[in-house]
Amino acid sequence: GNSVTQMEGPVTLSEEAFLTINCTYTATGYPSLFWYVQYPGEGLQLLLKATKADDKGSNKGFEATYRKETTSFHLEKGSVQVSDSAVYFCALLNNAGNMLTFGGGTRLMVKP
Amino acid sequence: GAGVSQSPRYKVAKRGQDVALRCDPISGHVSLFWYQQALGQGPEFLTYFQNEAQLDKSGLPSDRFFAERPEGSVSTLKIQRTQQEDSAVYLCASSLARTGRNSNQPQHFGDGTRLSIL
Repeated sequence: GNSVTQMEGPVTLSEEAFLTINCTYTATGYPSLFWYVQYPGEGLQLLLKATKADDKGSNKGFEATYRKETTSFHLEKGSVQVSDSAVYFCALLNNAGNMLTFGGGTRLMVKP
Repeated sequence: GAGVSQSPRYKVAKRGQDVALRCDPISGHVSLFWYQQALGQGPEFLTYFQNEAQLDKSGLPSDRFFAERPEGSVSTLKIQRTQQEDSAVYLCASSLARTGRNSNQPQHFGDGTRLSIL
């Protein structure tokens, strides 16, 4: 079956540091890939997505590139802010388009 | 508001009680999904509706879990004879289009219902 593995947290960074959160997946076919973010006390929000190999999703300074050869979708940001502190989830959508499979989440803490 | 609304936000029940969790999707959204999120983990798929039809319930953990969406809008997730292992956040999501291989409509999530079984 489908699965998503992402680096365990917490990841603690100083403001303006570079961020990478690793995500790899196992799936049949060509799934769409997503990053969701969950701020404290809030629900999941879609951060970015990529629907095919070599696509780059981007939003709010975050980027992730769909790498089919390494089955990866790593999240990056060049300069994090305190307001980026949240839990980040990598996810894939199955071929039927009706089920998201999530990784375990990575908590990011950014200190001023 | 225009987002997915879930109620109650928090629910505490004694083991063995029945509970009902409500989800109001975004108006006009065809597809509705339920997920279960245990503490410190990612959400796990429970079930999926397209309008009023429950097309996939493969993620429901036992026959104590039941979901319905009788008029194709509001959905209710019911858990009978609750157990401590049912304690989790239950997330509802909706998306505009029917699902399918070429559908990449994003799923919009509510804030969830945090269920605690004592």
